[in-house]
Amino acid sequence: SAVISQKPSRDICQRGTSLTIQCQVDSQVTMMFWYRQQPGQSLTLIATANQGSEATYESGFVIDKFPISRPNLTFSTLTVSNMSPEDSSIYLCSAQGANYGYTFGSGTRLTVV
Amino acid sequence: ELKVEQNPLFLSMQEGKNYTIYCNYSTTSDRLYWYRQDPGKSLESLFVLLSNGAVKQEGRLMASLDTKARLSTLHITAAVHDLSATYFCAVDISPSGGGADGLTFGKGTHLIIQP
Repeated sequence: SAVISQKPSRDICQRGTSLTIQCQVDSQVTMMFWYRQQPGQSLTLIATANQGSEATYESGFVIDKFPISRPNLTFSTLTVSNMSPEDSSIYLCSAQGANYGYTFGSGTRLTVV
Repeated sequence: ELKVEQNPLFLSMQEGKNYTIYCNYSTTSDRLYWYRQDPGKSLESLFVLLSNGAVKQEGRLMASLDTKARLSTLHITAAVHDLSATYFCAVDISPSGGGADGLTFGKGTHLIIQP
């Protein structure tokens, strides 16, 4: 199955700033996915990123707040913009590999102060 | 809107006991996933269930899928402390053979196994 490298693993950011999270997959994948996991909660899908087209956002998430890039079939970034303490979460990227399995990156633990 | 319900949400059990975690979902799907998450870690894939009646086993864990009942179970046999973690089920409603739509997760079952 695909192996995903995600960075940074954690960061502490000032409110009002932005953070870009990167994910690199070791094989070409059509779709990549970005999830948010708020403290003690489950995972919620933020958006789906298809190479060569704009990301598709789930209800409650907007491009201005979470811009996503997908420049090629092995790489994607998620930016968390104009951060507030409510954005403190773990952000995870994911990709679907062989046999319908979904693999996840190691996650980025974001704390906004 | 797809809803995925897990129960129980919290489970404390003793080593050596058996227990089952249940995952119900509200929309037709034949792809169901189970993941394990340790504190501060990412998700580890446990099982991918791709058809009605699918049953998979790995060590002390066994997962099954009944697509007609929209129910999956994760059974723990003779629990050991190392199985303490949070377990998530997740459903994929992407059309078979089509593009992936991502996963909808249950709330997770926080499992504590006491020696």
